[in-house]
Amino acid sequence: GAVVSQHPSWVICKSGTSVKIECRSLDFQATTMFWYRQFPKQSLMLMATSNEGSKATYEQGVEKDKFLINHASLTLSTLTVTSAHPEDSSFYICRGLTLAGTEAFFGQGTRLTVV
Amino acid sequence: QKEVEQNSGPLSVPEGAIASLNCTYSDRGSQSFFWYRQYSGKSPELIMSIYSNGDKEDGRFTAQLNKASQYVSLLIRDSQPSDSATYLCAVTDTGGFKTIFGAGTRLFVKA
Repeated sequence: GAVVSQHPSWVICKSGTSVKIECRSLDFQATTMFWYRQFPKQSLMLMATSNEGSKATYEQGVEKDKFLINHASLTLSTLTVTSAHPEDSSFYICRGLTLAGTEAFFGQGTRLTVV
Repeated sequence: QKEVEQNSGPLSVPEGAIASLNCTYSDRGSQSFFWYRQYSGKSPELIMSIYSNGDKEDGRFTAQLNKASQYVSLLIRDSQPSDSATYLCAVTDTGGFKTIFGAGTRLFVKA
């Protein structure tokens, strides 16, 4: 299957700092990128949906000013966690949807720990 | 609120046995159904997709779909210790765009 490369795979940051997570679709064009957050032993929770060249759509309860999403090209989408706090510590995963909209592929995930 | 429900488990089966994982969903208009396997600390990987009522087999895996009952299941035959993971059921909503994930069932296969 197609590959979505997500970096970094893990990051530790200090409270109050910002962290950027990148997802690149390596062998396909992802017009849409879904961003999820997963707490231990819980399901994937959709945070936002980004479309290339337009503003992301955030799910209810997700602060758009805290979780900045940029989808500047068909192969790159980024999530920036601003002013991170310990409660933001989680596993963040992106999922790219192909142009045809028939298949979607997960990135490898980013384990964020805020200390 | 559209939901996908799974028994959290853990489900424990001996090596070589059949593991049966179940899932129900609330959106009657859903058209696409998926099973993912997720190892601890890793992102989910797609095992099976199913779109029509009945059974779909792929190697040791069989997905079963019953839209009337809003029920999806996954059977794993000849379970191996390497099958120990969390299995996520996922359902695409009526619009076919948003995929909703269940909380997952933890499976342990005992050697």
